[in-house]
Amino acid sequence: GDSVTQMEGPVTLSEEAFLTINCTYTATGYPSLFWYVQYPGEGLQLLLKATKADDKGSNKGFEATYRKETTSFHLEKGSVQVSDSAVYFCALRTRNRDDKIIFGKGTRLHILP
Amino acid sequence: EPEVTQTPSHQVTQMGQEVILRCVPISNHLYFYWYRQILGQKVEFLVSFYNNEISEKSEIFDDQFSVERPDGSNFTLKIRSTKLEDSAMYFCASRTGVEQYFGPGTRLTVT
Repeated sequence: GDSVTQMEGPVTLSEEAFLTINCTYTATGYPSLFWYVQYPGEGLQLLLKATKADDKGSNKGFEATYRKETTSFHLEKGSVQVSDSAVYFCALRTRNRDDKIIFGKGTRLHILP
Repeated sequence: EPEVTQTPSHQVTQMGQEVILRCVPISNHLYFYWYRQILGQKVEFLVSFYNNEISEKSEIFDDQFSVERPDGSNFTLKIRSTKLEDSAMYFCASRTGVEQYFGPGTRLTVT
């Protein structure tokens, strides 16, 4: 079945460091891909998305490119801030009739000042 | 900005008891969902609901679970007889377009 695999956390970085969180997926067809973020005490928020191969999603300095050849959607940010500390979830939605979202396990990111 | 709300934020119950988790979706949304996340594991789809009926449910969503939209604003998840393994964070989501909007979650602890 469809699935998402992302790197285990926690990830601890210093402020202004470069961030990469790896994500790969398995899906039939051509899914839409997402990164969600959960700040402490809050719900899941859509951070960025890409709906077809080679699309780049971007928001708040974060980017991820839909790579069909490597079935990947890695999240990157050039210079992280303390306020980026959160849990990040990679996810997909297939183009079948059902529209449920399939999530990875989440990666906790902790940024040190 | 409109948001999905969920109550309570934390519910503690004894094994075998019934619980009802409540969600208020965004007011003009038509599609509603429940997901859950067992501690340390991935967020899993439970059920989707549209036009006052279940659209799809996962294998997790057995006869112990039910959903209801009792009025024009609430969307509830009922667990009839809770088990220890039902302990998890439960997220409600709603949408009208492509994007699903998630609530903050209810942490359910079954003792």
